[in-house]
Amino acid sequence: GAGVSQTPSNKVTEKGKYVELRCDPISGHTALYWYRQSLGQGPEFLIYFQGTGAADDSGLPNDRFFAVRPEGSVSTLKIQRTERGDSAMYLCASSTSPYSASNTGELFFGEGSRLTVL
Amino acid sequence: GQQVMQIPQYQHVQEGEDFTTYCNSSTTLSNIQWYKQRPGGHPVFLIQLVKSGEVKKQKRLTFQFGEAKKNSSLHITATQTTDVGTYFCAGQHSGGSNYKLTFGKGTLLTVNP
Repeated sequence: GAGVSQTPSNKVTEKGKYVELRCDPISGHTALYWYRQSLGQGPEFLIYFQGTGAADDSGLPNDRFFAVRPEGSVSTLKIQRTERGDSAMYLCASSTSPYSASNTGELFFGEGSRLTVL
Repeated sequence: GQQVMQIPQYQHVQEGEDFTTYCNSSTTLSNIQWYKQRPGGHPVFLIQLVKSGEVKKQKRLTFQFGEAKKNSSLHITATQTTDVGTYFCAGQHSGGSNYKLTFGKGTLLTVNP
């Protein structure tokens, strides 16, 4: 596709349930990022993938959060035992490799997945 | 942790007035980016500044990076209703990873026609 695609756009779940959020980056972008944005706040870094590996997962708030990118393209953010405090917009972004000479620094964000935990 | 402070939080202007948002970091930044997020939308990249004292212009938008690379500003001349949205600065801290952006809380701009 032309841009970063995220599904679902909206997810309402009950406290304690398991949730998966999917991100399909721009074709050819090796770098993929997950950010979380709460109302009235800026995006907060969660995890960065370069290719298939999670190069930096230091932003994941706790071990209930996990993300994978098995083939270096689509990524899934997984949240176990959801809590009300997990409610937020989850943004995925992709870019060319930040280590590439042609990288402009631009992150291309998807429309986000809005998660509501009741 | 590393933070980027942004002021003001909100700004309401009459169409045609100018607007400025300011961004400050307690530590030196290797570069700073600016994004715009329309209501209900996602952040869209505007620009990246890398050099100390750098000034870049995009039509009515002027971006500056401070000499010490700790602050930045975005100035919009003669605002239009299409400028409505939240403007975020996002910095990469020197000595840190060159992929991790720390976003400010943003400045929400509303424009009265």
